[in-house]
Amino acid sequence: KAGVTQTPRYLIKTRGQQVTLSCSPISGHRSVSWYQQTPGQGLQFLFEYFSETQRNKGNFPGRFSGRQFSNSRSEMNVSTLELGDSALYLCASSPDGSYNSPLHFGNGTRLTVT
Amino acid sequence: SQQGEEDPQALSIQEGENATMNCSYKTSINNLQWYRQNSGRGLVHLILIRSNEREKHSGRLRVTLDTSKKSSSLLITASRAADTASYFCATLFNSGNTPLVFGKGTRLSVIA
Repeated sequence: KAGVTQTPRYLIKTRGQQVTLSCSPISGHRSVSWYQQTPGQGLQFLFEYFSETQRNKGNFPGRFSGRQFSNSRSEMNVSTLELGDSALYLCASSPDGSYNSPLHFGNGTRLTVT
Repeated sequence: SQQGEEDPQALSIQEGENATMNCSYKTSINNLQWYRQNSGRGLVHLILIRSNEREKHSGRLRVTLDTSKKSSSLLITASRAADTASYFCATLFNSGNTPLVFGKGTRLSVIA
């Protein structure tokens, strides 16, 4: 099976712009989680989707949003970008949405905001 | 913070030596997982240990869990240069339907 695919791999944006990141989970996986990774804060949970419904949301401002499509692919959007949004954004999938299952991560999207 | 905390933050050893990393957490857990991350890449799942288990093995990896001390350790035996990576513990808390919470990781360097 193909792994979790995230596109694009790298992005450079300017403050105030918006950005959309894409994640294709492993075939058959219905849960998709998003994490932000920075050197200072480590891995911070953004949100999780299961069967097109947001099940959990982390402590991030409303500028961060996401959605999941019927084929389980997911997108996250960040509007009005700030310098502090520069980070590695990681997507992870799991088969059944049980938090007892390991997460399968993509290689991330490296976002740089200038 | 409910995050697990890894110790040490960084570890440098010679190839062939054993590497031990520790993780401490604050509240009751359902399970604890260890992940590896190579530089600039995604995380790879290594081992999941449940709260009623004390020890698990996978190849050269050994994980222990002490729920009374709220701590876990990851031992990599006979380390190789390819083991150079960051290692994270992630905890699933008993509080309910909450996602995994990751620590900030231990950066392991294995010198050939």
